[in-house]
Amino acid sequence: AQKVTQAQTEISVVEKEDVTLDCVYETRDTTYYLFWYKQPPSGELVFLIRRNSFDEQNEISGRYSWNFQKSTSSFNFTITASQVVDSAVYFCALSEAIEAQGGSEKLVFGKGTKLTVNP
Amino acid sequence: KAGVTQTPRYLIKTRGQQVTLSCSPISGHRSVSWYQQTPGQGLQFLFEYFSETQRNKGNFPGRFSGRQFSNSRSEMNVSTLELGDSALYLCASSLAGWEQYFGPGTRLTVT
Repeated sequence: AQKVTQAQTEISVVEKEDVTLDCVYETRDTTYYLFWYKQPPSGELVFLIRRNSFDEQNEISGRYSWNFQKSTSSFNFTITASQVVDSAVYFCALSEAIEAQGGSEKLVFGKGTKLTVNP
Repeated sequence: KAGVTQTPRYLIKTRGQQVTLSCSPISGHRSVSWYQQTPGQGLQFLFEYFSETQRNKGNFPGRFSGRQFSNSRSEMNVSTLELGDSALYLCASSLAGWEQYFGPGTRLTVT
């Protein structure tokens, strides 16, 4: 069975601090996909990144970076120089496979990490 | 391009009643998935529809059902509501499985 664990329930930082959100996953599949979503107070989940199991390259997008380590089954997310607008609940998710055409994944989500960035 | 829309945004129902929620995917998206979000259980997958067929189903009782129409719009129905069904119900649409775009959700309160 698939499982995603986000051990940090809540994190509070001061603006401009760097913060890392941890994500550990379990799956028996050799092909799988990992995601991060952001859920601001409005409730709508916002897609941040998708990574497949064959690509262990780290990725950077502006102030966001992701560290994927298959050896430790982790997919951690770092926000550099955090801002108040980064305050939200962040979810890590896992899916088994992607349909070849026109399909969609069944996502297994972690419980989320609530990030509060104080001015 | 309009995003995923869900109606209604808020709903209050009484135990034992039934409810129907609606989701309109992004134009051109053929896959629609539904998720339930509660403080205790977090985000849980309900089901996914593609071209009017249910392709995936989560571990929810038969009281939860859904359907998809030829224009890809989807509805989910919950019959015989229980207090524990109070949740935020999120709908997501996808074009080719690369990423899911979520709607703002319908917040259901069962009293």
